Amino acid sequence: SQQGEEDPQALSIQEGENATMNCSYKTSINNLQWYRQNSGRGLVHLILIRSNEREKHSGRLRVTLDTSKKSSSLLITASRAADTASYFCATGDDKIIFGKGTRLHILP
Amino acid sequence: DTEVTQTPKHLVMGMTNKKSLKCEQHMGHRAMYWYKQKAKKPPELMFVYSYEKLSINESVPSRFSPECPNSSLLNLHLHALQPEDSALYLCASSPQGTRVGYTFGSGTRLTVV
Repeated sequence: SQQGEEDPQALSIQEGENATMNCSYKTSINNLQWYRQNSGRGLVHLILIRSNEREKHSGRLRVTLDTSKKSSSLLITASRAADTASYFCATGDDKIIFGKGTRLHILP
Repeated sequence: DTEVTQTPKHLVMGMTNKKSLKCEQHMGHRAMYWYKQKAKKPPELMFVYSYEKLSINESVPSRFSPECPNSSLLNLHLHALQPEDSALYLCASSPQGTRVGYTFGSGTRLTVV
């Protein structure tokens, strides 16, 4: 069964704008991860945030985690055409389970 | 070497065929995974190997048979598949379970005819 639910399911924005995706999960977690997938190929690990962290940055990526609300957000600043992809949150201990994903499309 | 290599990239097989998917990593990762992904859906976990032993089988039909010959290799043997098994099969590895991110291969796109 899926642990995470991303919102929105699809998002189209102009190049240069910021993109925000949200993830909600059901049970307590030790960490939450975000992955990107281009054109139905392999997934790329973007960032991992631990349950005792509230915010984490990596380049143009900013991830927040609110364990009281069981939710996380991924912000991509100054979007580029190359950011067009599907983005998944994932949680789990012995194994990771992916949410349904957000399909992000950056318009030129 | 920081990659997970999957072969073949594409595979078309008949329902009576036997084929194998191969996954290889040389990062010293001791956990390896098989995921199945249908179009516009998230990856679904199939199997987890930890230290070359099968630790999790997500109730996968026996027509899928995983094998871990050594710490660098993971195979998925396919036999008597159905057209609904057509999907992208992804292999991943990690050094120590879920405390760090997984490294994924680019996948094998399987079509069963």
